[in-house]
This record gives sequence, C-alpha cells and structure tokens, in this order.
Amino acid sequence: GAVVSQHPSWVICKSGTSVKIECRSLDFQATTMFWYRQFPKQSLMLMATSNEGSKATYEQGVEKDKFLINHASLTLSTLTVTSAHPEDSSFYICSARDGGSRAGNTIYFGEGSWLTVV
Amino acid sequence: DAKTTQPPSMDCAEGRAANLPCNHSTISGNEYVYWYRQIHSQGPQYIIHGLKNNETNEMASLIITEDRKSSTLILPHATLRDTAVYYCIVKTSGTYKYIFGTGTRLKVLA
Repeated sequence: GAVVSQHPSWVICKSGTSVKIECRSLDFQATTMFWYRQFPKQSLMLMATSNEGSKATYEQGVEKDKFLINHASLTLSTLTVTSAHPEDSSFYICSARDGGSRAGNTIYFGEGSWLTVV
Repeated sequence: DAKTTQPPSMDCAEGRAANLPCNHSTISGNEYVYWYRQIHSQGPQYIIHGLKNNETNEMASLIITEDRKSSTLILPHATLRDTAVYYCIVKTSGTYKYIFGTGTRLKVLA
C-alpha cells in the first residue's frame, strides 16, 4: 500500500540552529502535502499546506519565516525549522494526498519526527 | 468544515466491540466523515470513511445516522493493539486539509 516516510524519525539540535525534516511519498505522486505539529497529550495542529511547485500556505499563527517548507518534487516536501528554540520541540507529522485515480484522493500520514531542541 | 465532538476517553474489554461515537451536527451535504487513529508516538492511521451509507472494511464498521448528524465507529473485536486515540474528522470531498479535534482515547483492557 501507499507509504509516506519521514526522516529523521527523531533529532536533537542545539538552540539557534536549523533542522530539516523530510517527507517522502514512496509509491505515489503527492501534489499536496501537509505539515502538522503535535505537542504531548494534544491533538495534531495543522501548520501548512505544501503544494508541489508553488509556495506553501500557512495556517494562521504559524510563522512562515521560521518554518520553511519546500515541495520541489512530487514525492518530497521538506520542513526546515530555522533558529530552533526549546519551545519548538514537538512531534512533526506530514501527510500526503495520493491524487491517483486508484486511491480516490486518499490522505496518508508519515510516521512523524520528534524534534528536541536543547 | 464541520466541527466534531467526541468523548475524551473510553474503556473497552478485550474481545468485545468498541463503539466510538462522534457528533457532527453541523455537517453539510457534501461533507464526508473520516476516522483515523493514532497509536502512541506514531502518525495517524486511516481507518474508514463514509458519506451517508454505512461502511465496513477489514478494520472497522462506520454507522452514520440517517440525518448524518452523528456517527459511530465500531471495532468488532477489540484487541490490546487497538489502544489509541481515535479521531473523527468531517471534510468536504475535494479538500484535503484535515482539522483534528481532541479525539477519543480508547483503552482496551485485558
């Protein structure tokens, strides 16, 4: 079945540095990908919608200059947390839309990436 | 997209059916009901979705009331591995932005 893979699964970075998280659709082309953030014991919060070949659309309250999203190909979107601070520590999850006719526009989620900023 | 309301938590005995309710009283005619679950520290997993008819797959059954204002996800024989947070999401076909509510934390007890 369709798989969405995130890398890395977990990362620790120093405060002030930037970290990149990748989201790949492994056996389908994803024209649209979504990035979520989830704090412990809370629900997923949508951060932005990533469209292949165009600028991402950010949800209200999400800083676009801090969370850089690039969707350069139909199988890869990246989220870069710039100048990370401890409050950015969270579980980041991506999802991808399989627009193929066989899939009926199903959304698949990645396994998530744990970010810890120290 | 319509807002959903779910109970915050439920317990179910192993081997019994788990019935998870969801209220979506403001759902409109072109909005689907989707169910996902999230096992601890993993990404959400698709379970089932429907528009107005009841649906069944290898994982679960989805019962949607005739007025479509509520639905129930049924796990027919719950196992310990079904312990997770279950999310009911309502969205319009053709949009792919999922807004997650607080979900129901299901604990399956041995």
